[in-house]
Amino acid sequence: DGGITQSPKYLFRKEGQNVTLSCEQNLNHDAMYWYRQDPGQGLRLIYYSQIVNDFQKGDIAEGYSVSREKKESFPLTVTSAQKNPTAFYLCASSTGSLPGELFFGEGSRLTVL
Amino acid sequence: AQSVAQPEDQVNVAEGNPLTVKCTYSVSGNPYLFWYVQYPNRGLQFLLKYITGDNLVKGSYGFEAEFNKSQTSFHLKKPSALVSDSALYFCAVRVSFWNTDKLIFGTGTRLQVFP
Repeated sequence: DGGITQSPKYLFRKEGQNVTLSCEQNLNHDAMYWYRQDPGQGLRLIYYSQIVNDFQKGDIAEGYSVSREKKESFPLTVTSAQKNPTAFYLCASSTGSLPGELFFGEGSRLTVL
Repeated sequence: AQSVAQPEDQVNVAEGNPLTVKCTYSVSGNPYLFWYVQYPNRGLQFLLKYITGDNLVKGSYGFEAEFNKSQTSFHLKKPSALVSDSALYFCAVRVSFWNTDKLIFGTGTRLQVFP
């Protein structure tokens, strides 16, 4: 079945540690996105990539990094510079052409202790 | 600024009654609008979208949405609510200009359907 796979589902880390969240898609989509979800704040865009080897900062990119070396993969690293990393992280993809609805993974919940 | 607003944090409705979840938007040009649903600890599921054409858009699970250009609204509706419809609903608008192409989401509305 085609879809988006995020791993791990739950992740616990100590403060000061970098963590990498995996996102893989087999939908042959060009565009991929990372969103952060916090209670009462909706979804906020961290980074997005419209094509391999290229990505743009979203609204809250500070403290995060990404890479897009393969079309199907868009990992997100939460660095120690991110002040409040505990959140639910959602990866999504789209064909890249309009209207461009997003297809989401099941999310990764990161808790920093 | 391009944005989307969901004015209600929570909507309560009795099972069998009609439901409406409100969304208003502010974009330049023609809007591409979306509704998504999220169940606890899950990703978002696409419900429906408006591109152009008929103002009433039909989507998954019996949901529909009404586009109103003059009121810049895109309210989600269902004629008869089910308890299983209880979830978090997000409205979104696509923003495309220069080298930016992304969805902006509202803050979400929690729908509670009581038996």
